[in-house]
Amino acid sequence: AQSVTQLGSHVSVSEGALVLLRCNYSSSVPPYLFWYVQYPNQGLQLLLKYTSAATLVKGINGFEAEFKKSETSFHLTKPSAHMSDAAEYFCAVTLPNSGNTPLVFGKGTRLSVIA
Amino acid sequence: DGGITQSPKYLFRKEGQNVTLSCEQNLNHDAMYWYRQDPGQGLRLIYYSQIVNDFQKGDIAEGYSVSREKKESFPLTVTSAQKNPTAFYLCASNGRWEFNQPQHFGDGTRLSIL
Repeated sequence: AQSVTQLGSHVSVSEGALVLLRCNYSSSVPPYLFWYVQYPNQGLQLLLKYTSAATLVKGINGFEAEFKKSETSFHLTKPSAHMSDAAEYFCAVTLPNSGNTPLVFGKGTRLSVIA
Repeated sequence: DGGITQSPKYLFRKEGQNVTLSCEQNLNHDAMYWYRQDPGQGLRLIYYSQIVNDFQKGDIAEGYSVSREKKESFPLTVTSAQKNPTAFYLCASNGRWEFNQPQHFGDGTRLSIL
């Protein structure tokens, strides 16, 4: 069965600093990987997804992630943090060609941005 | 615009009461899901349905029930058997992964005990 581990339940960065949120996956075959963002009392919004095309994936709001098979990682980065980036971020995995197999989510990382 | 509508946004349950959370989608998605979210625990899958009139238990199905009589609708009932129902409940839907269709989420229902 596939799984994801998000390292760090809380990350704090200064405004303008690099954002790095870590996600490692476990899967028997190359998976599909997703990053979602959640603002307080709202649902999840898709930031970006990896579906076996380019390994460097660009998403919304200036975020990007790189799929590294050798490291089983899919870390989320943004060069310069903005106050509006403060939210909770979830990494998720599923298997390709699996129809509608449910996503498996990590436990989330709360990002704080300090002025 | 297409999307997922969850109602109500806030819900209160009395002791011994069943309550039903509504989830409707107009995205023409086959698959629908219910997740429970508690602080620090991420999203845990309660039930999911890949097609009308069929559904499967997720990781924490005890104390919950669902139905899928229409493609657009996937209501979740929190029964009195669920002893700790206080949580944020999220409904989601998607098309098939291989068609590059990501999962969409509603805005959630927050359930509390009176």
